[in-house]
Amino acid sequence: GEDVEQSLFLSVREGDSSVINCTYTDSSSTYLYWYKQEPGAGLQLLTYIFSNMDMKQDQRLTVLLNKKDKHLSLRIADTQTGDSAIYFCAERDNYGQNFVFGPGTRLSVLP
Amino acid sequence: DSGVTQTPKHLITATGQRVTLRCSPRSGDLSVYWYQQSLDQGLQFLIQYYNGEERAKGNILERFSAQQFPDLHSELNLSSLELGDSALYFCASSLGQDSYEQYFGPGTRLTVT
Repeated sequence: GEDVEQSLFLSVREGDSSVINCTYTDSSSTYLYWYKQEPGAGLQLLTYIFSNMDMKQDQRLTVLLNKKDKHLSLRIADTQTGDSAIYFCAERDNYGQNFVFGPGTRLSVLP
Repeated sequence: DSGVTQTPKHLITATGQRVTLRCSPRSGDLSVYWYQQSLDQGLQFLIQYYNGEERAKGNILERFSAQQFPDLHSELNLSSLELGDSALYFCASSLGQDSYEQYFGPGTRLTVT
């Protein structure tokens, strides 16, 4: 079945870049997503990328997709303390019927 | 604020009981999704409704059921509750049945004692 893997923890210094990595197994995934979850809150859609794209940039966020290796990454430039949260990678299957989420990466931003 | 509302925010109940969680989608959205987030299972897709009809089913237990009403709000019914059902239950909505963007509500935290 489909599976999405992420490392569970990442710590960075304020002002540095953060890179959160994700691997997925379903080669027919059409869309790949990054969501942010702050403590006590729901998931906030950060960005998404279509499977026919290699890169997408949106202000401080850069998403890179390596379809051959089924690897997705989220780079946050100039990381701020407000970026501390759990970041979920998710894939959507080709039939548009199911989202599969990774376990989430807890990003801690140190002053 | 995503525009998706969920009630109640917190719910504490005993094993064996039945509860109903409610979700109102964003204005104009026709699809509603339900998810369960627990420490051991992570975020799991339960079920999707589109314009009142069941569209997709994920890891939803037989003790759980959902429906979407003509005004598009949805309810998730959890019965014969067990300790392991304690979790955050999220609702999300999207415009169409296969929309690539989902918007999540703030969640309902269910504690079963």
